[in-house]
Amino acid sequence: DQQVKQNSPSLSVQEGRISILNCDYTNSMFDYFLWYKKYPAEGPTFLISISSIKDKNEDGRFTVFLNKSAKHLSLHIVPSQPGDSAVYFCAASAKSGGGADGLTFGKGTHLIIQP
Amino acid sequence: EAGVAQSPRYKIIEKRQSVAFWCNPISGHATLYWYQQILGQGPKLLIQFQNNGVVDDSQLPKDRFSAERLKGVDSTLKIQPAKLEDSAVYLCASSSTGPFEYFGPGTRLTVT
Repeated sequence: DQQVKQNSPSLSVQEGRISILNCDYTNSMFDYFLWYKKYPAEGPTFLISISSIKDKNEDGRFTVFLNKSAKHLSLHIVPSQPGDSAVYFCAASAKSGGGADGLTFGKGTHLIIQP
Repeated sequence: EAGVAQSPRYKIIEKRQSVAFWCNPISGHATLYWYQQILGQGPKLLIQFQNNGVVDDSQLPKDRFSAERLKGVDSTLKIQPAKLEDSAVYLCASSSTGPFEYFGPGTRLTVT
């Protein structure tokens, strides 16, 4: 019973174009969503997040969109750069702010930026 | 600020042997997590500590896995005895407030 789903194991995008990574969730108790980026032999690093009270959060080239009614979020990277090639994990938390709660992760999407 | 430190980075053992992993979180972070990441999967939470106490260990296979966090700082995760299916990367993470977690580089365990 995967609560966070990333249905695309891999995605190939040309340098300079937009990369769109998708994530679906099933648990209505999730109220905070995060994207992590992972290079080989390194731990995941935090990229961007969004609270369930918002529908968009932007940070430079990265924008996350949340559609609560569809239980869907997406990460947009514009423009895509070679250094963006990595595995991207969508993660969700059922407790935002104040106390900490373990994250539930998707399986990840391997983004490959083609020159 | 120094990140989350983990050791060893790699470990190869035979099944039924024991192994221990060490984690030093970011200074001042009260919450510490251990995750297991099997190849091709996302990280799965094993155990969460708040200072010295366990907050959540519902997904920890307690018949063979144990973890402790003495003095609310460093933590060790032990597997005894190891099985083939324990081959994975074991990630330690820490956080101060909220769901923002900072991860260490992980320990890659291979059980043969």
